[in-house]
Amino acid sequence: AQSVSQHNHHVILSEAASLELGCNYSYGGTVNLFWYVQYPGQHLQLLLKYFSGDPLVKGIKGFEAEFIKSKFSFNLRKPSVQWSDTAEYFCAVASMEYGNKLVFGAGTILRVKS
Amino acid sequence: DTGVSQDPRHKITKRGQNVTFRCDPISEHNRLYWYRQTLGQGPEFLTYFQNEAQLEKSRLLSDRFSAERPKGSFSTLEIQRTEQGDSAMYLCASSYYNSPLHFGNGTRLTVT
Repeated sequence: AQSVSQHNHHVILSEAASLELGCNYSYGGTVNLFWYVQYPGQHLQLLLKYFSGDPLVKGIKGFEAEFIKSKFSFNLRKPSVQWSDTAEYFCAVASMEYGNKLVFGAGTILRVKS
Repeated sequence: DTGVSQDPRHKITKRGQNVTFRCDPISEHNRLYWYRQTLGQGPEFLTYFQNEAQLEKSRLLSDRFSAERPKGSFSTLEIQRTEQGDSAMYLCASSYYNSPLHFGNGTRLTVT
């Protein structure tokens, strides 16, 4: 079975600090990888996705993530966070073998201090 | 794109009662998913449909839970004889085949 591990449950940063959120998954086959974000009071929204091709993917709002197959990782990065990035971030993986349903990590709550 | 719509937003019920939630997916999406999320956890897969066919149901899902999508459009999720452990946020999502999932705002269930 697939599983997803997010390294930190809570992260607190000051504005302009750099962000890196870790994500590792367990499945060894072909996967699609996602980061979703949930702003306070809002629904889950897609931040970025990796299906194939360039392992460095860029998403909305200056976020990017790098797929490293050998490490089963898909870490999320942003060079300079803003107060408005305060949210919960979820890493998720899907594979055709498992019906392409998403398996989520437990989430990382990011608080950016202004 | 009007988004995925879920109703109600909140439901408080007493233990032992039945509850039903509704999800209206994005109109052109043929797949519809139900997830459950509890505090401190990511969404957990419950079941999904492609058109009106229920293609998969989580092994962890109690037989008190049933979902339908009779005409391949909206879906309902029913929980019979609710228990306090059923208290959670129930999320619906839709997609067009393997495109990324679009989520609704969820239905928060509280069982007292």
